[in-house]
Amino acid sequence: AQKITQTQPGMFVQEKEAVTLDCTYDTSDPSYGLFWYKQPSSGEMIFLIYQGSYDQQNATEGRYSLNFQKARKSANLVISASQLGDSAMYFCAMREGLSSGSARQLTFGSGTQLTVLP
Amino acid sequence: SQTIHQWPATLVQPVGSPLSLECTVEGTSNPNLYWYRQAAGRGLQLLFYSVGIGQISSEVPQNLSASRPQDRQFILSSKKLLLSDSGFYLCAWSPDSLNTEAFFGQGTRLTVV
Repeated sequence: AQKITQTQPGMFVQEKEAVTLDCTYDTSDPSYGLFWYKQPSSGEMIFLIYQGSYDQQNATEGRYSLNFQKARKSANLVISASQLGDSAMYFCAMREGLSSGSARQLTFGSGTQLTVLP
Repeated sequence: SQTIHQWPATLVQPVGSPLSLECTVEGTSNPNLYWYRQAAGRGLQLLFYSVGIGQISSEVPQNLSASRPQDRQFILSSKKLLLSDSGFYLCAWSPDSLNTEAFFGQGTRLTVV
């Protein structure tokens, strides 16, 4: 089974509007972390935001916020006031905790290609 | 501050030729190291990870191998490349911490012809 699912292969948003990129995850580990990365056409992976499974509040970083719904196992990324430079591939990723016996590797979803329209 | 270097940035290799991609990390000790591969327009697939010198775990059986000869050096190799080995290869490191992101190198775009 997929551990990270991103159901939107592509999304379009008008400049200055907000957009939500969906991410659902699957884990039985009570301790985990959720991450969002941005990958522009250059290929570099840019870390955007982190949410821990025990965090009580939704994470925010500037124009990025994470809508964390633990019971539904979703961690959607919200980008407010979209800019042309936000056009890129966006990846949701998860790192599971000690009980999984993992080496802290990130497991990635298939990504969402966001295009911001002028 | 910590930095990660990965090279080369691009590589075109014939089928059957060997491969060696190198990744080094500076400014930290005993990092967890990872090799990912990304097919065009797809997500990242974990290939190998290492929690220490000489300790390599493979996630996907394939034509590739990895080695960690030094604490902050991670090498991805192949003895004979296949066409299906083409892709974008990313090296990454992270501290052994649940709540810290992984830091990625700039990537190597490999085309096997």
